[in-house]
Amino acid sequence: EDQVTQSPEALRLQEGESSSLNCSYTVSGLRGLFWYRQDPGKGPEFLFTLYSAGEEKEKERLKATLTKKESFLHITAPKPEDSATYLCAVQTNSGYSTLTFGKGTMLLVSP
Amino acid sequence: DAGVIQSPRHEVTEMGQEVTLRCKPISGHDYLFWYRQTMMRGLELLIYFNNNVPIDDSGMPEDRFSAKMPNASFSTLKIQPSEPRDSAVYFCASSLDGNYGYTFGSGTRLTVV
Repeated sequence: EDQVTQSPEALRLQEGESSSLNCSYTVSGLRGLFWYRQDPGKGPEFLFTLYSAGEEKEKERLKATLTKKESFLHITAPKPEDSATYLCAVQTNSGYSTLTFGKGTMLLVSP
Repeated sequence: DAGVIQSPRHEVTEMGQEVTLRCKPISGHDYLFWYRQTMMRGLELLIYFNNNVPIDDSGMPEDRFSAKMPNASFSTLKIQPSEPRDSAVYFCASSLDGNYGYTFGSGTRLTVV
């Protein structure tokens, strides 16, 4: 069974304090790994897709990286508006078009 | 484009009542997904459609749940009869071809009392 585990469950940072969120996965064959951001009361919003080990994607203060067993979402010099829950999801070669999500990391950035 | 539109945003109903959640996907998207989100279990896939045809409903919890997609611009998720354990946020999402990131709606928060 495909498994996606995110850590930590919650993270509190000061503005400007860089850190990383982890997403480890156990799947039969990875097709793609997705990162989403979810604000309270809203649906998840797509951030990145990574397809192969060694791949990196960047968007503003966020950078996502991928290895054969895990992905990291690095947040550089975060701002309060980066506060949200970050979800990672995997798509497998046998899972057709579906995504299996982790439970997310709730990030709070204090000014 | 207005994105994926779900209605209602909030639904409070009594145990045993029928509940119908509605979704309008993004025009041109061939895939539609229904997910349920709870604190305990996170986001779980219930069912998905490709070109209006149900492909995988293995995530539907039990026979009380049913979903339809009568045309490319509308889908419903029905729970009959509803139970308190069905309380959750239900999301609809659509995707152009299933290989890229989904676009989610804002969700329906269902409370069954």
